[in-house]
Amino acid sequence: DSGVTQTPKHLITATGQRVTLRCSPRSGDLSVYWYQQSLDQGLQFLIQYYNGEERAKGNILERFSAQQFPDLHSELNLSSLELGDSALYFCASSAHRDRASEAFFGQGTRLTVV
Amino acid sequence: GDSVTQMEGPVTLSEEAFLTINCTYTATGYPSLFWYVQYPGEGLQLLLKATKADDKGSNKGFEATYRKETTSFHLEKGSVQVSDSAVYFCALLDSSYKLIFGSGTRLLVRP
Repeated sequence: DSGVTQTPKHLITATGQRVTLRCSPRSGDLSVYWYQQSLDQGLQFLIQYYNGEERAKGNILERFSAQQFPDLHSELNLSSLELGDSALYFCASSAHRDRASEAFFGQGTRLTVV
Repeated sequence: GDSVTQMEGPVTLSEEAFLTINCTYTATGYPSLFWYVQYPGEGLQLLLKATKADDKGSNKGFEATYRKETTSFHLEKGSVQVSDSAVYFCALLDSSYKLIFGSGTRLLVRP
């Protein structure tokens, strides 16, 4: 168990809908990273938050947004969903701002858009 | 931009066979390099890392050497076990401290 909790584990929704994925980082970790793992794009970095502030942005679509709350949990919001958004979404957390490689990963949320 | 290329899988081996999973990278400068493992139904775990040329990372019998000349970081294990069946990702840390992953290589070890 990595200590990073993601909910829900599975999500099935229709095209055009909006969903929210939740991540609780390990106790004390200030950085949260979001990744998307899909069959065609592989594993891609989406966005990082550090202590409530956006720290780095990767290949995140404009339809997607994220935030980190004062209690350090994070949410990834995906809207106007398309079939191609079906993927495994991982959250990872680390204690430091610039130590992505030392982050611990959650088990992921599998999103299926039908 | 920076990128990582891994050999395509799946790689199927018998128990106790020798494993090599090839990984090459393209980057400006000399990034830190990593191997991650993803067991079924789980998130990624850091397996080993190397931060400079000629460094050898090792963990759980796996090894990889940072080769600057060939821009490679191949993963090796002398004798694989069924429990090593997983997906392996090669990655680099870019100059903005972001992880860039390869496409992953699935390893299946048969008894």
